[in-house]
Amino acid sequence: QSVLTQPPSASGTPGQRVTISCSGSSSNIGSNYVHWYQQLPGTAPKLLIYRNNQRPSGVPDRFSGSKSGTSASLAISGLRSEEEADYYCAAWDDSLSAVVFGGGTKLTVL
Amino acid sequence: QITLKESGPTLVKPTQTLTLTCTFSGFSLSSTGVGVGWIRQPPGKALEWLALIYWDDDKRYSPSLKSRLTITKDTSKNQVVLTMTNMDPVDTATYYCTRSVQLGNFAYWGQGTLVTVSS
Repeated sequence: QSVLTQPPSASGTPGQRVTISCSGSSSNIGSNYVHWYQQLPGTAPKLLIYRNNQRPSGVPDRFSGSKSGTSASLAISGLRSEEEADYYCAAWDDSLSAVVFGGGTKLTVL
Repeated sequence: QITLKESGPTLVKPTQTLTLTCTFSGFSLSSTGVGVGWIRQPPGKALEWLALIYWDDDKRYSPSLKSRLTITKDTSKNQVVLTMTNMDPVDTATYYCTRSVQLGNFAYWGQGTLVTVSS
C-alpha cells in the first residue's frame, strides 16, 4: 500500500491530452514538492517533473505538472506512442521522514 | 556528464547480508547539497526508497527498513555503499543508485542491478 495514491492505469490515443493524479496528505504533498518520473519498459526511471511543475532540460513542454492542496497531477498533451510507460509521483513525507512514492500508473497509448 | 553504476552480487541467500556499491562520476559528494540514494523495485512492482547520504554525511533511511540498512560514502573513491542485513526472498528487486539534490528529487539514475534472494 503506497503512501501516495495513483490510478493503476490510464490510457489515451495519439495526440490526446491525458492526466495522471497523485493523492497524498498534509505531511507529504501538502507541505513538500512533488516530483514525477517516467519509466519506459525495461529501463531506469527518468525525472520528468521536479518541484511540482519544473521540467528538467530536454523534457518536452508537452509534459506539465501541477499541485493543489494534497493532490498533484501530471498532464501529457499531444500524446505519443513512445510515451507508453509507467509514471510515478514522489514526495518527502515529514511524518515518516521518508521519501514516498506512488504505486505507479501504467499509461497505455491506444 | 553524470553517471552512476551499481555493482554487487546478483544472487544472495536468505539471511545473508547484501553489499551494493554505487560508483559515480561527473560530480562530487563533497559539494554542498549533493546526495546519493538507493531505490529498489521488485519485479512488476512500484519504486521503493531505501536510503540517502548527503555531502555532510547526513543519512536518511526508510523507516520500515532502517534496522537493516547502512549507507556510507567514500568521497575520495566517488563511491557510496549500501548494506542490507538479513536478506529475504521478498527483497528480490532491481536496486538503483541515484543522485539527489533535494528530498524526492532524483535527477540521475544508474542502470540498476537485479538482486535475487534465493537458497
